[in-house]
Amino acid sequence: GPKVLQIPSHQIIDMGQMVTLNCDPVSNHLYFYWYKQILGQQMEFLVNFYNGKVMEKSKLFKDQFSVERPDGSYFTLKIQPTALEDSAVYFCASSLGWGVYEQYFGPGTRLTVL
Amino acid sequence: QEKVQQSPESLIVPEGAMVSLNCSFSDSASQSIWWYQQHPGKGPKALISIFSNGNKKEGRLTVYLNRASLHVSLHIKDSQPSDSAVYLCAVRGGNYKYVFGAGTRLKVIA
Repeated sequence: GPKVLQIPSHQIIDMGQMVTLNCDPVSNHLYFYWYKQILGQQMEFLVNFYNGKVMEKSKLFKDQFSVERPDGSYFTLKIQPTALEDSAVYFCASSLGWGVYEQYFGPGTRLTVL
Repeated sequence: QEKVQQSPESLIVPEGAMVSLNCSFSDSASQSIWWYQQHPGKGPKALISIFSNGNKKEGRLTVYLNRASLHVSLHIKDSQPSDSAVYLCAVRGGNYKYVFGAGTRLKVIA
């Protein structure tokens, strides 16, 4: 079936540095999402992105977070600067449309902030 | 703020058993509910969704939605060891986001 790819699978950085997480969504999908999952805890919504705009974001989507998808390239989540509490697995998802359409998730990027 | 609660937290059943998983949500206006399966170290995979009151069956899976009681359940018939995973309930609100429950960890023993 359709696959979402995430690069890298694991990233270790020092607190205060910038990090960019990359997502290659399903090719014809139009909606893109980022979720955060701390080990053993709930999957938490960060942001929904469509047509170049943030449609919805949660309180977890701090000012240090940004997303973009330049034409034909990766959907990215940038964190600048990083904090210790940003350590988690970040999942990217994409869907063809909103609501009745299935979200396809990537395998996740494990981010460790030291 | 939508709240989603899942029960039980974990479940161990013998192969072939019927499995019942529960999900309660807080907003009666929630427009759709999805069930996902997540294996360790993997992203969630969508299993089945429901939008209207009533039930929906797909293969070994049946989902029941009762909007009046703000409750949805997933039933897995003839469970297999390969069904062992975490099952997540996700509720779509009126805005552009999904709220996930904490999950039910299922183990099916051969």
